Amino acid sequence: GAVVSQHPSRVICKSGTSVKIECRSLDFQATTMFWYRQFPKKSLMLMATSNEGSKATYEQGVEKDKFLINHASLTLSTLTVTSAHPEDSSFYICSARSQTTGDLETQYFGPGTRLLVL
Amino acid sequence: GQNIDQPTEMTATEGAIVQINCTYQTSGFNGLFWYQQHAGEAPTFLSYNVLDGLEEKGRFSSFLSRSKGYSYLLLKELQMKDSASYLCAVEDSNYQLIWGAGTKLIIKP
Repeated sequence: GAVVSQHPSRVICKSGTSVKIECRSLDFQATTMFWYRQFPKKSLMLMATSNEGSKATYEQGVEKDKFLINHASLTLSTLTVTSAHPEDSSFYICSARSQTTGDLETQYFGPGTRLLVL
Repeated sequence: GQNIDQPTEMTATEGAIVQINCTYQTSGFNGLFWYQQHAGEAPTFLSYNVLDGLEEKGRFSSFLSRSKGYSYLLLKELQMKDSASYLCAVEDSNYQLIWGAGTKLIIKP
């Protein structure tokens, strides 16, 4: 089946630094990738939708200058948390939608990246 | 390797009951999630099981057997709005999520 990976799996950084998280589709091409944040009650909040070669679409309330998303190729999207603060500590999950595997609505989810900002 | 299996698609009738199974083989286990995802929308959290047994939440119940690597989501009194994909995901020993491919549930009148 379709596999999505994330790197790193966990990261600890100091407040004020920037952190980059990669999301890769390993065996399929993903024209659309989604970035989510998982809250303590386990709900997933959609942060943004990124399409290859174009600007990401951010959900209301998500700061685009703080959460920079780049979808440079059909297999890679990156989320950069700039000037991270402790409240950015969370579990970030990406998913990818394939045009060649399964139906067009299916999203394949990554394992998540746990970010801790000290 | 790590693996989550759930049926690709299921069909059920409005008002009936349906059980969606999920079996898993993972490196460690810290919990199992069920999410509902309507087309074009973000997944909605349904349940999180850590201990064996059945947890009931309204029309939805989730069951876990850790020794068998097995869970199911039970939906009662099905409504047309329950037509969606249902995702099973396991938290492994590193608290990373291993996702099933989702089960597309089709409800017919």
